[in-house]
Amino acid sequence: QQQVKQSPQSLIVQKGGISIINCAYENTAFDYFPWYQQFPGKGPALLIAIRPDVSEKKEGRFTISFNKSAKQFSLHIMDSQPGDSATYFCAVSYSGNTPLVFGKGTRLSVIA
Amino acid sequence: GAVVSQHPSRVICKSGTSVKIECRSLDFQATTMFWYRQFPKQSLMLMATSNEGSKATYEQGVEKDKFLINHASLTLSTLTVTSAHPEDSSFYICSAAQGAISGANVLTFGAGSRLTVL
Repeated sequence: QQQVKQSPQSLIVQKGGISIINCAYENTAFDYFPWYQQFPGKGPALLIAIRPDVSEKKEGRFTISFNKSAKQFSLHIMDSQPGDSATYFCAVSYSGNTPLVFGKGTRLSVIA
Repeated sequence: GAVVSQHPSRVICKSGTSVKIECRSLDFQATTMFWYRQFPKQSLMLMATSNEGSKATYEQGVEKDKFLINHASLTLSTLTVTSAHPEDSSFYICSAAQGAISGANVLTFGAGSRLTVL
C-alpha cells in the first residue's frame, strides 16, 4: 500500500506566486518529514524537513506546515521563481537508521 | 556539508554483462547506505539497505542475486547489476545516513547513475 500520498501530480504557477504541494501519510509512527527537490538527471536534494513536535518550519521562501492530527504536511514555496521548476518529493521515515519512503512526486513549472 | 559521490554517472552496457556502481561518502562515515531505483517520471523506490560489514537487506521483489550490494567500508558501498537486461535500465541512486538529528536520519543522495542496457 502507498505509505505517503502526494498531490498534485503536476503544478503550474506564475512567477511570484505561491506553490503548494500536499502529502498525507497513514502511519503515526513516522517522525521525520522531509521534502526533496530533484532536477532532471540529478539526485534529490534535501530542501527542508520537519519533526512532528512542531507545526511549521520556515527556511527562506520554503515553509513546511505540519498537521499531526490530520496526518498531513505541505510545502509552500513563496515568490516562486522559474529556477524552482523541478520535481518535488515528500518523504517519511521512522527514527534511527531507516530509509525514506517517498511520495510519487510533483512536477512544478514556474512560468514567467 | 555532507557529500555523497556516485560513479559512474552514466553507463551503457550490452545485455548479459555486469555493471558496478560505486557510492562513496566523502566527508563522513556511513554505517548505513540505501540504494534506490527511479524509472522515468516516477518516484524513488527503495531497493535495499546496505550495512557496513553485514549482508544487505533487500526489499520485497528485488532479486538479491541480480543486484549484489557490498558495503565493505564505512565510506563505500557498491551495487553490481549482474547479467543486465534492458528492463534493468534505470536511474540508480544511493544515499547515505549522516547520523541522527533529533532521532531521525538525514539522508544525503548521490547524483545518480543512469544505466542503459542495450
